[in-house]
Amino acid sequence: DADVTQTPRNRITKTGKRIMLECSQTKGHDRMYWYRQDPGLGLRLIYYSFDVKDINKGEISDGYSVSRQAQAKFSLSLESAIPNQTALYFCATSDLGTSQSTDTQYFGPGTRLTVL
Amino acid sequence: GENVGLHLPTLSVQEGDNSIINCAYSNSASDYFIWYKQESGKGPQFIIDIRSNMDKRQGQRVTVLLNKTVKHLSLQIAATQPGDSAVYFCAERHAGYSTLTFGKGTMLLVSP
Repeated sequence: DADVTQTPRNRITKTGKRIMLECSQTKGHDRMYWYRQDPGLGLRLIYYSFDVKDINKGEISDGYSVSRQAQAKFSLSLESAIPNQTALYFCATSDLGTSQSTDTQYFGPGTRLTVL
Repeated sequence: GENVGLHLPTLSVQEGDNSIINCAYSNSASDYFIWYKQESGKGPQFIIDIRSNMDKRQGQRVTVLLNKTVKHLSLQIAATQPGDSAVYFCAERHAGYSTLTFGKGTMLLVSP
């Protein structure tokens, strides 16, 4: 979905390096998410943010940090990359949720990260 | 493309057949469900959703069925086309929470 963009699309780095993955959206959504995807494991939630001042840990936050710089921008950092962080990383957005909302999440194209 | 399909259950069908992809969800308190399609090298794409107060919802060529008694969700694709070949994920939202839990996915292969 062109409304959610991720940079870079591909990155190869070495163990111990700091890496930042960036996500931008033009959908005007309040909520943003970072997931990682590994073969056969589906999508697992790393961090999520419901507005600029809100940051929440997901299922697998260890080794990652995030920054919500603006409503439209949400970045994911690996402070010291390790090989088992090699994966596909996806950013997603959704509308502000209420009990009546759908919470449909819209995904970016992904970043393929390889840690050597 | 990415190897996200490795080790996944696979459904192989002929073009023009109807496809049924199944998903068993985990939480009886889940109140909202979504099906996503992921093509090779792309992010997941929303297909259709359903709330827990419904048992069926139809879209264009797709139908989602929800059986809360056995915690089962299915996606039916009518007249399957080669362009439908992808990995399909179900996701559930637990009532009172605001995040989704995704299934591991099913790969659909459509032969011409």
